[in-house]
Amino acid sequence: DGGITQSPKYLFRKEGQNVTLSCEQNLNHDAMYWYRQDPGQGLRLIYYSQIVNDFQKGDIAEGYSVSREKKESFPLTVTSAQKNPTAFYLCASRSRGPQETQYFGPGTRLLVL
Amino acid sequence: GQQLNQSPQSMFIQEGEDVSMNCTSSSIFNTWLWYKQDPGEGPVLLIALYKAGELTSNGRLTAQFGITRKDSFLNISASIPSDVGIYFCAGQLSRDDKIIFGKGTRLHILP
Repeated sequence: DGGITQSPKYLFRKEGQNVTLSCEQNLNHDAMYWYRQDPGQGLRLIYYSQIVNDFQKGDIAEGYSVSREKKESFPLTVTSAQKNPTAFYLCASRSRGPQETQYFGPGTRLLVL
Repeated sequence: GQQLNQSPQSMFIQEGEDVSMNCTSSSIFNTWLWYKQDPGEGPVLLIALYKAGELTSNGRLTAQFGITRKDSFLNISASIPSDVGIYFCAGQLSRDDKIIFGKGTRLHILP
């Protein structure tokens, strides 16, 4: 089945620790995105990548980093510089063409110990 | 910058009632998308609209792309308990543009 997978489903971070969230897609999409969702809130864009080896900051990039070494993969690292990392993190990818559509993964919930 | 106003913020309805929610934008869009998010899950695409005036159905769901290209609405007919969740609208001006999301409409169904 084609789709977007995120792992782990739940992740715990200790103070001062970097953690990496995985996002993989087998939809052959060029563009991939990371969003943060806080309780009762909408989606805020962290980083996005339109093509392999290229990525841009979104609206709330501080304290996060990404890489895009492969088309299928777009991991997000939450660094110790992110002082309020507890949130639900959503990865998405987008089809290209005259009718673009964006699909989401199942999400990773990050909790700080 | 572009903003999407989604309303209502939340709705409480009886099972079997019809539901209507809408999104308005300060700018025009060429694509409107509607998603549903269940608790603890990622948003799932319900309906995609690509042409002004387009009316598209997906089972009990119907969505329309406003003629002005600055609004869209989603209707749910004969609501059932599994319709509970958060519904997001999203708009995109053109290819390669970021997709802008509304803040969501939280649907509650009363027993």
